[in-house]
Amino acid sequence: AQRVTQPEKLLSVFKGAPVELKCNYSYSGSPELFWYVQYSRQRLQLLLRHISRESIKGFTADLNKGETSFHLKKPFAQEEDSAMYYCALLNAGGTSYGKLTFGQGTILTVHP
Amino acid sequence: EAGVAQSPRYKIIEKRQSVAFWCNPISGHATLYWYQQILGQGPKLLIQFQNNGVVDDSQLPKDRFSAERLKGVDSTLKIQPAKLEDSAVYLCASSLGTSGRAFRNEQFFGPGTRLTVL
Repeated sequence: AQRVTQPEKLLSVFKGAPVELKCNYSYSGSPELFWYVQYSRQRLQLLLRHISRESIKGFTADLNKGETSFHLKKPFAQEEDSAMYYCALLNAGGTSYGKLTFGQGTILTVHP
Repeated sequence: EAGVAQSPRYKIIEKRQSVAFWCNPISGHATLYWYQQILGQGPKLLIQFQNNGVVDDSQLPKDRFSAERLKGVDSTLKIQPAKLEDSAVYLCASSLGTSGRAFRNEQFFGPGTRLTVL
């Protein structure tokens, strides 16, 4: 069974500090992973996907198959980064293709 | 581009009552998802539709939950009768479809319906 683990429920940093939100996964196939973000009073939205190898709002995430991790990183956190972040794993096979399995989420607070 | 619409935004009912939620996906999106998000947890998939057919309902408590997408567009999710543990945010999401193309897998979420069962 596929599983996503985000070990930190809460993460607090100061503005300008580096930030890393941890995500570990369990999946028997070739994983396709995403980070979703939910800002206060807004809907859940896609931040980035590993397959695109992109940097969005200064965030990057590298898939490490050896460690089964997909940590989200930003070198200099900003106050507007404060939000709930979810790591999600796509079911890329079988009849449930497209199903997302989410982690429990990490609340990031960036202090001024 | 209009996003995924859901109604109502909030609902308070007593246990054993019935409730229904409505979702209108983004135009042209073939795949529709209903998620349940209990406080402090990530969203959990309840049911996935491809057009008007069910792809996955393995985590839907079928003794009390039902969902339909009759014309392959709008969808309704019903709970009958509700229990206290059904208190959660119910999220609807849609995507173009499912395939090996990454852009088709991106799910767009609605604002959710917050259900409180007393």
